Amino acid sequence: GAGVSQSPSNKVTEKGKDVELRCDPISGHTALYWYRQSLGQGLEFLIYFQGNSAPDKSGLPSDRFSAERTGGSVSTLTIQRTQQEDSAVYLCASSFQGWNQPQHFGDGTRLSIL
Amino acid sequence: DQQVKQNSPSLRVQEGRISILNCDYTNSMFDYFLWYKKYPAEGPTFLISISSIKDKNEDGRFTVFLNKSAKHLSLHIVPSQPGDSAVYFCAGNNGNQFYFGTGTSLTVIP
Repeated sequence: GAGVSQSPSNKVTEKGKDVELRCDPISGHTALYWYRQSLGQGLEFLIYFQGNSAPDKSGLPSDRFSAERTGGSVSTLTIQRTQQEDSAVYLCASSFQGWNQPQHFGDGTRLSIL
Repeated sequence: DQQVKQNSPSLRVQEGRISILNCDYTNSMFDYFLWYKKYPAEGPTFLISISSIKDKNEDGRFTVFLNKSAKHLSLHIVPSQPGDSAVYFCAGNNGNQFYFGTGTSLTVIP
């Protein structure tokens, strides 16, 4: 499809395991963002990729979180040694250029840590 | 620190009436605001935006008003339709990143 694609849509894992979440942005969009939404909370910014520039990692909550964007397209968010407080919906968005344009969101990955 | 606040977690409106969703912000550096609509199990969908140089932007049934002195914006939906039932998020941009509110759940009663 033409939208932002995220996989898996749901992920259940045990505390302490590592997880990888994938985002396939809209073709041609140079900017890619990761957010998470915990229960009853707004969207919390995690990380922002813009073209070939170094990513803005200012929102990552701990060093257990990391993200890559290979070839300026697909991105992977990795959470190591998951904790129960990591349970949330992780949303990826892309935009044509940068922060001054509306972001197009995927449907998210619902992560549950047991 | 919640820079964007949506103080009403829910709103119920009769079909055909006006829905008014409110949003307050604290950061005077915000120069761009957006509203997103979110259905359950789906990602947010962009609805309407407004630049800080304007005080109103209209798109069909949706109008966003910005009051910079009060650091307040609102989304008006008129007439409201049952398909408008969703969670609405407002977001402010300081030129560096977006800050989202916690959302208001709108229910339009047929």
